[in-house]
Amino acid sequence: AQTVTQSQPEMSVQEAETVTLSCTYDTSESDYYLFWYKQPPSRQMILVIRQEAYKQQNATENRFSVNFQKAAKSFSLKISDSQLGDAAMYFCAYRVNTGTASKLTFGTGTRLQVTL
Amino acid sequence: GAVVSQHPSWVICKSGTSVKIECRSLDFQATTMFWYRQFPKQSLMLMATSNEGSKATYEQGVEKDKFLINHASLTLSTLTVTSAHPEDSSFYICSAQNPRLASILQETQYFGPGTRLLVL
Repeated sequence: AQTVTQSQPEMSVQEAETVTLSCTYDTSESDYYLFWYKQPPSRQMILVIRQEAYKQQNATENRFSVNFQKAAKSFSLKISDSQLGDAAMYFCAYRVNTGTASKLTFGTGTRLQVTL
Repeated sequence: GAVVSQHPSWVICKSGTSVKIECRSLDFQATTMFWYRQFPKQSLMLMATSNEGSKATYEQGVEKDKFLINHASLTLSTLTVTSAHPEDSSFYICSAQNPRLASILQETQYFGPGTRLLVL
């Protein structure tokens, strides 16, 4: 069974600084997707960034980037120039690529605080 | 990005009554919708996967007779909590996906804003 582990229940970062959230996963599949979702206090799940396992290049979306290490099964999220609006729960998620819709497996989440 | 709505956003009901929650994909056709449950300060737990025109597939431990799911069209799925009890109080979230869409939409689930259910 696939599992996703986020070992940092809480993280804190100062505004304008950089923070990295950790995520590891366990799978025997070779073709899959990895995601980071953000859940602010409104509880709306917002897609932050996605990575396709067969792509070696790390995904980047503006201030958000990932460090994808397939052999180590690691998928960390780096937030640069942190803003107050980045404060939220961040969930790492995994989905095997079956060619059809398949379920997401979520980690337990990391709560990110952004301080002035 | 794709937009998914849920209705209602908040519902309070008496124990023993049934509650229906709607999940709609507003600007794309969702061949598959997922229903999650989230307890406070916890992660999302998948309850069931709903494919349009087919019976839903429930995760282990989820009572299909208690949580009725209908996915009658490509834009609407409903979750009915039957004979609700206080322990059913939770935050219910749906997501939608269409793997037949082109480009980046196909591999991504888009989430609704959630429905907070309180059973008294």
